[in-house]
Amino acid sequence: EAGVAQSPRYKIIEKRQSVAFWCNPISGHATLYWYQQILGQGPKLLIQFQNNGVVDDSQLPKDRFSAERLKGVDSTLKIQPAKLEDSAVYLCASSPRQGLFGYTFGSGTRLTVV
Amino acid sequence: AQSVTQLGSHVSVSEGALVLLRCNYSSSVPPYLFWYVQYPNQGLQLLLKYTTGATLVKGINGFEAEFKKSETSFHLTKPSAHMSDAAEYFCAVSAYIQAGTALIFGKGTTLSVSS
Repeated sequence: EAGVAQSPRYKIIEKRQSVAFWCNPISGHATLYWYQQILGQGPKLLIQFQNNGVVDDSQLPKDRFSAERLKGVDSTLKIQPAKLEDSAVYLCASSPRQGLFGYTFGSGTRLTVV
Repeated sequence: AQSVTQLGSHVSVSEGALVLLRCNYSSSVPPYLFWYVQYPNQGLQLLLKYTTGATLVKGINGFEAEFKKSETSFHLTKPSAHMSDAAEYFCAVSAYIQAGTALIFGKGTTLSVSS
């Protein structure tokens, strides 16, 4: 089966600019996650979708971050405006159901804010 | 709330030596535990997981981990390190969040293997 697809792989932007990341999960996977991984740290959950509904977004900085999952398939994560501390790898993951048994990650998008 | 602590941010071993990466968890419910590996510029790959049943879990690439409830530990081992094992390793626990579940990760351990 095809894996979790993410694009772009790399992005460099200036602070205060906006950026968007795209994720296409494994076909049929109902649950989709976005994680932020800052250099030297473990991944931190930003938001979880179940189909096209948000299950948990308590860790998402909603003043600048937004995410949507239209039609319960692919998803976009947006940052507007970006700050230097947003430099990180943004990982998307999907699971056939709630992630109790683990899930599959994409390769991530490495964002550098200068 | 569930959490994971990985002891040692960096572990160095010689090729052929035993690999031991330590992970302790905190959970108020029976935990589901995971080890993931991350190679440079790649996403996370599942090495192994413990859900229920046998406490010694075997994974890919010769790795295994043992769930010890009394010690709240889930340490990762490999009898003989290979150069290709050099990577970042993350321990994770399933956590109940809001209306669903998600993985909570430790800070990671970088494994270096020297010849």
